[in-house]
Amino acid sequence: DTEVTQTPKHLVMGMTNKKSLKCEQHMGHRAMYWYKQKAKKPPELMFVYSYEKLSINESVPSRFSPECPNSSLLNLHLHALQPEDSALYLCASSQSQGAYNSPLHFGNGTRLTVT
Amino acid sequence: AQTVTQSQPEMSVQEAETVTLSCTYDTSENNYYLFWYKQPPSRQMILVIRQEAYKQQNATENRFSVNFQKAAKSFSLKISDSQLGDTAMYFCAFMKQYGGATNKLIFGTGTLLAVQP
Repeated sequence: DTEVTQTPKHLVMGMTNKKSLKCEQHMGHRAMYWYKQKAKKPPELMFVYSYEKLSINESVPSRFSPECPNSSLLNLHLHALQPEDSALYLCASSQSQGAYNSPLHFGNGTRLTVT
Repeated sequence: AQTVTQSQPEMSVQEAETVTLSCTYDTSENNYYLFWYKQPPSRQMILVIRQEAYKQQNATENRFSVNFQKAAKSFSLKISDSQLGDTAMYFCAFMKQYGGATNKLIFGTGTLLAVQP
């Protein structure tokens, strides 16, 4: 069983919809991450939160809006997406951000399809 | 900038056999860490093994071991006694030791490994 829980597992949305992806961990980790992954490609980092503050934004379009309400929760709000945004969205957490001895724990991802 | 290269897009191995996945990287850093992650069809990325660049001894985790050649900037993964559950995409990854608040994993392009019965 994964210690990082992502919901929903699958999401289909139209280009005018607003939806949110959710991620939760109860390992006491203080860093949380959003990655985007296309089929047969490596994950691409989108955002990093460290101690509930945004520490990295990889120049992600504003139609993706992250939120970290507390140290256990991470949301990704989606609005006016494009079909090319269809991908697997992975959440991860680690004890601290950017440290070797703090490996990432990943969730099972949300498969997003934009129609 | 750091880059990670995996030159084998796909590989196949018979159950119980041994297979080696290749990874090379480019960096000007002297202190860094290297990782292998696997991603089975369940989609979850799982850490397989990690290596500190300052350690000459190769890391091992049960059936998984690495051949770390720092001068050659090579970090291959050997899977012994392959099992059907090893079927997955394998990603090599790099992280600087001292990257500060912007430190992050750099992933290779991945190798899709199929273990045949």
